[in-house]
Amino acid sequence: GENVEQHPSTLSVQEGDSAVIKCTYSDSASNYFPWYKQELGKRPQLIIDIRSNVGEKKDQRIAVTLNKTAKHFSLHITETQPEDSAVYFCAASPGNFNKFYFGSGTKLNVKP
Amino acid sequence: EAGVAQSPRYKIIEKRQSVAFWCNPISGHATLYWYQQILGQGPKLLIQFQNNGVVDDSQLPKDRFSAERLKGVDSTLKIQPAKLEDSAVYLCASSLGPTEPSFYTFGSGTRLTVV
Repeated sequence: GENVEQHPSTLSVQEGDSAVIKCTYSDSASNYFPWYKQELGKRPQLIIDIRSNVGEKKDQRIAVTLNKTAKHFSLHITETQPEDSAVYFCAASPGNFNKFYFGSGTKLNVKP
Repeated sequence: EAGVAQSPRYKIIEKRQSVAFWCNPISGHATLYWYQQILGQGPKLLIQFQNNGVVDDSQLPKDRFSAERLKGVDSTLKIQPAKLEDSAVYLCASSLGPTEPSFYTFGSGTRLTVV
């Protein structure tokens, strides 16, 4: 099955700096890549997603890039704010979009 | 619209006891999933239902875990008997179906502690 690896496991940045989280996947059939933000004790919430027919997608301060050849995708957060502090998970979904394989998570700490 | 409802929020049991979790998906969502999230890890799919039929239960430890989705709406996940390593958050999620992944929504989860 699919294997998703995520790095780094923890990331600490100063408020206003950019943060980048990277994921790799193994199954070339994966064609949907969502990113989730999970605050402590809360449910994962979708923040951005990208499909395999697109190389980049942006939504205000958040962007995701996808390199299908290298099988990796990245989350970019610009102008970070303290409220961005959370655990971020990447995921990959092969074929029919149903089953999600998650990375191990990145704990982002934005220092004011 | 209402989200995915789960109960209880927290549960503490002793090993070898039984426990059950309940999930009510978003109205109209045909697909329902149960995930296990161990502390410090990403969620791992246990079982997927399409209406009231099982689509994928390949990662469900069937010797102790069971799940059902009667009438294609609510679902229950049961563990019997529980082990220490079952301590985790159990997340339920639902989606409209295979073509609309952006409507994939998680519940708040049930945090299980096995002592």
